[in-house]
Amino acid sequence: GENVEQHPSTLSVQEGDSAVIKCTYSDSASNYFPWYKQELGKGPQLIIDIRSNVGEKKDQRIAVTLNKTAKHFSLHITETQPEDSAVYFCAAIGGDNTGKLIFGQGTTLQVKP
Amino acid sequence: EAQVTQNPRYLITVTGKKLTVTCSQNMNHEYMSWYRQDPGLGLRQIYYSMNVEVTDKGDVPEGYKVSRKEKRNFPLILESPSPNQTSLYFCASSLGRGGRGYEQYFGPGTRLTVT
Repeated sequence: GENVEQHPSTLSVQEGDSAVIKCTYSDSASNYFPWYKQELGKGPQLIIDIRSNVGEKKDQRIAVTLNKTAKHFSLHITETQPEDSAVYFCAAIGGDNTGKLIFGQGTTLQVKP
Repeated sequence: EAQVTQNPRYLITVTGKKLTVTCSQNMNHEYMSWYRQDPGLGLRQIYYSMNVEVTDKGDVPEGYKVSRKEKRNFPLILESPSPNQTSLYFCASSLGRGGRGYEQYFGPGTRLTVT
């Protein structure tokens, strides 16, 4: 089945710097890759997603890139702000057509003012 | 407001005492799912449901039951809770497979402690 690996597990940056979180997946049939942000005491919230027919997608300060050949995708946050501090999860839809999301282990991002 | 609700938000119980965590969504979503979140392991799917009366096991179903008698509700049942089920639980829903249907909306979570 699908397996998703996420790195790093923790990331600390200065306000205004960029942050990059990387994920790899195993199932070449996966075609949907969302990123979720989880703030303390809340459920994960979708912040951006990308499908397999697109290589890059951008929404203001966040962007996601996908390399299907290498089976990896990345989240890029530019001009980080303290409110970006949270746990970020990548995920991939399994290729078994059940709609099941397989999540990475999560990255705790700390943005220092 | 479109949302997924879960109750209770916090629960402390003892080993073996049956409990139910409720989940409800008001978006007419077909797909609903339960996850548990443990440190270093991300979110792992417990059970999912593609529609009313259609449920199936996820990756960690042992010790859990679910039912889907109505489209909006998807309760999680622990018949005989054990300490290894101490975790943070999330319910999620989506329209269904394909296209925008893959987008899952999560509830606020239920923190369960089993002593």
